[in-house]
Amino acid sequence: DAKTTQPPSMDCAEGRAANLPCNHSTISGNEYVYWYRQIHSQGPQYIIHGLKNNETNEMASLIITEDRKSSTLILPHATLRDTAVYYCIVRWHQTGANNLFFGTGTRLTVIP
Amino acid sequence: EAQVTQNPRYLITVTGKKLTVTCSQNMNHEYMSWYRQDPGLGLRQIYYSMNVEVTDKGDVPEGYKVSRKEKRNFPLILESPSPNQTSLYFCASSLRGTLSSYNEQFFGPGTRLTVL
Repeated sequence: DAKTTQPPSMDCAEGRAANLPCNHSTISGNEYVYWYRQIHSQGPQYIIHGLKNNETNEMASLIITEDRKSSTLILPHATLRDTAVYYCIVRWHQTGANNLFFGTGTRLTVIP
Repeated sequence: EAQVTQNPRYLITVTGKKLTVTCSQNMNHEYMSWYRQDPGLGLRQIYYSMNVEVTDKGDVPEGYKVSRKEKRNFPLILESPSPNQTSLYFCASSLRGTLSSYNEQFFGPGTRLTVL
């Protein structure tokens, strides 16, 4: 069963910040929050991950609430190439040591 | 360039004709796995391998075989393909397979398989 909740779709104007929310209220203490994205039928691509603190890399920022029950992925200046399905992952599936349970994700459409 | 490669990228075959989809990574990763992606079902793990000669079933292993004779290669074998195995397949690898460590997974470009 999915352990994260994401909105099914979002739009964002090109050049603006895209803020993608994720709820993970049952996250346990040692579980990381990972974000991946999948551009149409390509292999999923890692974006960022975090445990407790906010994180930033060249692609995005990850804001995790203090109680760790939710997080937000921020793409600071969205481009058309950021149109993709974004997956928030906080649980490993029960079968498979490193299995990623992708769920349904959020389809982000960047609008010119 | 660090990457995961898959071949072929597209394949149309007929029921019962054995096929192999190859997967190779050049990052010296211990962990490799296969996923299939179907509309409405997301990505589901088929098999995974923690290291050479160590493989295990994922969520949907029926109808598939794998082998891990070398660290870099993890082929997916369909002994007798059926139409319900028509799907988009992804191979992935990561440095380690354990739950406790940071494990970014690198995915291949995908293989679109059609079984008639």
